[in-house]
Amino acid sequence: AQKVTQAQTEISVVEKEDVTLDCVYETRDTTYYLFWYKQPPSGELVFLIRRNSFDEQNEISGRYSWNFQKSTSSFNFTITASQVVDSAVYFCALSGDLYGNKLVFGAGTILRVKS
Amino acid sequence: DAGVIQSPRHEVTEMGQEVTLRCKPISGHDYLFWYRQTMMRGLELLIYFNNNVPIDDSGMPEDRFSAKMPNASFSTLKIQPSEPRDSAVYFCASSQGALNTEAFFGQGTRLTVV
Repeated sequence: AQKVTQAQTEISVVEKEDVTLDCVYETRDTTYYLFWYKQPPSGELVFLIRRNSFDEQNEISGRYSWNFQKSTSSFNFTITASQVVDSAVYFCALSGDLYGNKLVFGAGTILRVKS
Repeated sequence: DAGVIQSPRHEVTEMGQEVTLRCKPISGHDYLFWYRQTMMRGLELLIYFNNNVPIDDSGMPEDRFSAKMPNASFSTLKIQPSEPRDSAVYFCASSQGALNTEAFFGQGTRLTVV
């Protein structure tokens, strides 16, 4: 069975602080995909990143960076110099199907960035 | 493209009534997914279609739930009869599975059954 654990229920930071959201996954598939989605207060789900299991390179996109470590089954997400607009619920998700889209979501981490 | 379009955005209905949620996927996408989000269970997949054919409906909670995709540009999720525990946000998502692209989500339908 597949499982995604986001142990941090809620994190509060002050603007400009760096923050890391943890994600640990379980799967028996050798090929799988990992995702992060953002859910702002307006409610929609916004795609942030997708990683396949063969690509362990870390990725940086502006203030966002992701650290994928197969050895620890983790796919952590760091926001550098956080901003109030980063306040949202962040979901980590896993997919093991052929086309990587049947998603199993973690419970989500609520991030509150205070000014 | 306008993205995945769901209607209605909000629905309030009385227990026992039939509810139909609608979804228009992104043009050209061959996969369509229905997810449900609740406080207790988080985000869970209900059913997904490939080329309008249901592939996996193992997440559909009960026979009261049914989903159809009569063509590539439209899908419905129906609950009949509705119950208060069906209250949730229902998301539709679509993707180009064969190209290994990510799923794009609609804005969701917030359903309240009283």
